Amino acid sequence: EVQLVESGGGLVQPGGSLRLSCAASGFTFSSQWMTWVRQVPGKGLEWVANIKQDGSEKYYVDSVKGRFTISRDNAKNSLHLQMNSLRAEDTAVYYCASDVGDYWGQGTLVTVSS
Amino acid sequence: QAGLTQPPSVSKDLRQTATLTCTGNSYNVGYQGVVWLQQHQGHPPKALSNRNNNRPSGISERFSASRSGNTASLTITGLQPEDEADYYCSAWDSSLSALVFGGGTKLTVL
Repeated sequence: EVQLVESGGGLVQPGGSLRLSCAASGFTFSSQWMTWVRQVPGKGLEWVANIKQDGSEKYYVDSVKGRFTISRDNAKNSLHLQMNSLRAEDTAVYYCASDVGDYWGQGTLVTVSS
Repeated sequence: QAGLTQPPSVSKDLRQTATLTCTGNSYNVGYQGVVWLQQHQGHPPKALSNRNNNRPSGISERFSASRSGNTASLTITGLQPEDEADYYCSAWDSSLSALVFGGGTKLTVL
């Protein structure tokens, strides 16, 4: 059974940092592109970033470029999202997903507020 | 980044058939197809079909996906109350180097 389990969300002040993690199991993690997607409660899905199997290619939505960094550890089957200089508009549930959305985690809530 | 186009809402009667559409261009929908996602309120999205229009294990045969050119479709037959949900399509856009989503269709089963 495929499982993606996110962690690391929480409440942070504007300008602060958080590091999200996603633990993967039940599939060959190292053979999949991996993706972070976010969703403001009650709104649609927004792609944040994704990373190639070997980490050699990374892509980001314009609004997070220069602030967020996606990374992966294939030895540990884990995906990460380092989020710096957080803004109120980054408040959302963050999901880890495989490729273009074949499998999804349960999500972790990030709230940016003073 | 530009997104895919989905009708905001569709309403159909119980046991009827609903067809949801997702329109893009040759760089996204027409490039590698779409993944169809179902999301119930308060839950994460779940894939109903992959880019090859195949259903993942455990997904009912009532859900079928297809594509014609730059438009993808999800057909749901024999509508049930539990089919009431938001439905999204997603595709990789090769010109934007970005994953794009549709705005979602809220399906109401009457």
